[in-house]
Amino acid sequence: AQKVTQAQTEISVVEKEDVTLDCVYETRDTTYYLFWYKQPPSGELVFLIRRNSFDEQNEISGRYSWNFQKSTSSFNFTITASQVVDSAVYFCALSEKEGGSEKLVFGKGTKLTVNP
Amino acid sequence: NAGVTQTPKFRILKIGQSMTLQCTQDMNHNYMYWYRQDPGMGLKLIYYSVGAGITDKGEVPNGYNVSRSTTEDFPLRLELAAPSQTSVYFCASSLDRGLQNYGYTFGSGTRLTVV
Repeated sequence: AQKVTQAQTEISVVEKEDVTLDCVYETRDTTYYLFWYKQPPSGELVFLIRRNSFDEQNEISGRYSWNFQKSTSSFNFTITASQVVDSAVYFCALSEKEGGSEKLVFGKGTKLTVNP
Repeated sequence: NAGVTQTPKFRILKIGQSMTLQCTQDMNHNYMYWYRQDPGMGLKLIYYSVGAGITDKGEVPNGYNVSRSTTEDFPLRLELAAPSQTSVYFCASSLDRGLQNYGYTFGSGTRLTVV
């Protein structure tokens, strides 16, 4: 079985604050992929990052950074100097082979509100 | 390159009616998926397909049917619509070549209301 837990249901910050969104996953597979998606109020799913289980290097992309730690099964997402446009629901997802088929399982999402 | 195209974008159905949600991708992806998203919840997998002619159930398949006659198309059929099927439906596709995952492409979603 696989499971993705995003314990933070909602987070509210003031613009320019840093914010970290937590993601903890469970898997029995040794090869898997982790993703973060952003869902703005318009409703579409925007791909942010894909990380495979063999690559534990942290990644930075502009104001976004990701911390992948296999030892704690976590893949946390930090937004530095948050902006109002970052307001969205953020989903963490896990993809692994199960029964020979690749499937993507989502957490319940964290709703981030950035106030001016 | 259109990616994953879903139609319609919005639909209101009466209880007991049937409809088909269309999904087409032009990337020659072998895997296709249907998810539903309920308020405050993540996306749950309804059905998926690993290639033309092959489909399998996901986490919440009851009340739905799918077919995959071509690589490009993966329609989702609702028979006897119920209020519990009010949701936003997302179609997705991915290219699977062994262990390498090339990521997932999502459609823009179909908002369905059953009244």
